[in-house]
Amino acid sequence: GAGVSQSPSNKVTEKGKDVELRCDPISGHTALYWYRQSLGQGLEFLIYFQGNSAPDKSGLPSDRFSAERTGGSVSTLTIQRTQQEDSAVYLCASSLGGGTYEQYFGPGTRLTVT
Amino acid sequence: ELKVEQNPLFLSMQEGKNYTIYCNYSTTSDRLYWYRQDPGKSLESLFVLLSNGAVKQEGRLMASLDTKARLSTLHITAAVHDLSATYFCAVAPPGSARQLTFGSGTQLTVLP
Repeated sequence: GAGVSQSPSNKVTEKGKDVELRCDPISGHTALYWYRQSLGQGLEFLIYFQGNSAPDKSGLPSDRFSAERTGGSVSTLTIQRTQQEDSAVYLCASSLGGGTYEQYFGPGTRLTVT
Repeated sequence: ELKVEQNPLFLSMQEGKNYTIYCNYSTTSDRLYWYRQDPGKSLESLFVLLSNGAVKQEGRLMASLDTKARLSTLHITAAVHDLSATYFCAVAPPGSARQLTFGSGTQLTVLP
């Protein structure tokens, strides 16, 4: 079956611009996660959605970052007024639910802020 | 704050040899995950360890979990070149398996 998909695969943007990153989770997975992978910080949790519950935004690094999940499926991560330190690979994962369920990761979006 | 430490960070080994990667974590958790990442690729799930004493094996890789020692190991038996990748352990905070806290990763190179 189809795995987690993300788009675009690569994004180059100028400092100060806004970007939107998209994630399509595995069908039927109620939980969706965003992580960021960068050289300096490793893999960091950003935000978690579970069903219709309020998202856990505890990992978002600043108020320039936001995410939404429409209809319990597709999610969009938005970064406003991008900075060079936002350059990283943004990974999306989904799982059947929270709890012990395994998280399946998408291929990631490589964001470069120039 | 949950901290996860992996060692070694870099591992170069000969084909056919055995080695162990260690993953220590700082607070109580009974949920530990191992992932593999090839260069330029995403994370591939290898093992999910959910209880003290859990041991799982797949091919030349075997993972174990000791929740009392807050330690997981990933043992590589008779390494082959195809195992070259970066391996991450990840731990979920107690009471939840929502966000994962990852170790820094172990970059494994298996030499012919």
